[in-house]
Amino acid sequence: EVQLVESGGGLVQPGRSLRLSCTTSGFNFGDYAMNWIRQAPGKGLEWVAVIRSKTFGGTAEYAASVKGRFTISRDDSKNIAYLQMNSLRIEDTAVYYCTRKWTTYDYWGQGTLVTVSS
Amino acid sequence: QSVLTQPPSVSAAPGQKVTISCSGSSSNIENNFLSWYQKLPGTAPKLLIYENNKRPSGIPDRFSGSKSGTSATLGITGLQTGDEADYYCGTWDTSLSAGVFGGGTKLTVL
Repeated sequence: EVQLVESGGGLVQPGRSLRLSCTTSGFNFGDYAMNWIRQAPGKGLEWVAVIRSKTFGGTAEYAASVKGRFTISRDDSKNIAYLQMNSLRIEDTAVYYCTRKWTTYDYWGQGTLVTVSS
Repeated sequence: QSVLTQPPSVSAAPGQKVTISCSGSSSNIENNFLSWYQKLPGTAPKLLIYENNKRPSGIPDRFSGSKSGTSATLGITGLQTGDEADYYCGTWDTSLSAGVFGGGTKLTVL
């Protein structure tokens, strides 16, 4: 059974950092691109970042709203994807979902809530 | 302002059919696979349609997808009250090198 479990969310002050983890099981993690997608309260889905599989270079892309502040990474030996979030802003408050992608985001985690507030 | 454009809301009676549109451009919808997701409050998005018109196992054939040029459509027939949810289209944008979603469409089953 494919499973993705996010962790690391919580309450953080503006300007501080937080690292999210996405622990996976039930599939060959190294074959898939891993993505983070978020949903702010009352808003729609917003794609945040992708890290491609090593087969496709292991490169990363970011949404303009987080570029330079967030870093996505992966540890294929542990089947975990990470999202390092620095210089957090109030507008980063959202539920963050981890998803795997081949041609689509087919499996999603349950999400972890990040609240940026003073 | 979302890269993909969806109507904010649609509604129809139980048993009826509804369609939800998703409009984009040549850098996203026209040249990349399009997917549709169902989002219920407090739950993770659920994949309904992938690669423009394919249904994952377990998704009933009441749900269908189509794509033509820079637009796509999600169709739902035999509406049920349980279909009330927010629906999102999503794809990759080659020019932006980024994933993109529509703003979401709230379906009300009257």
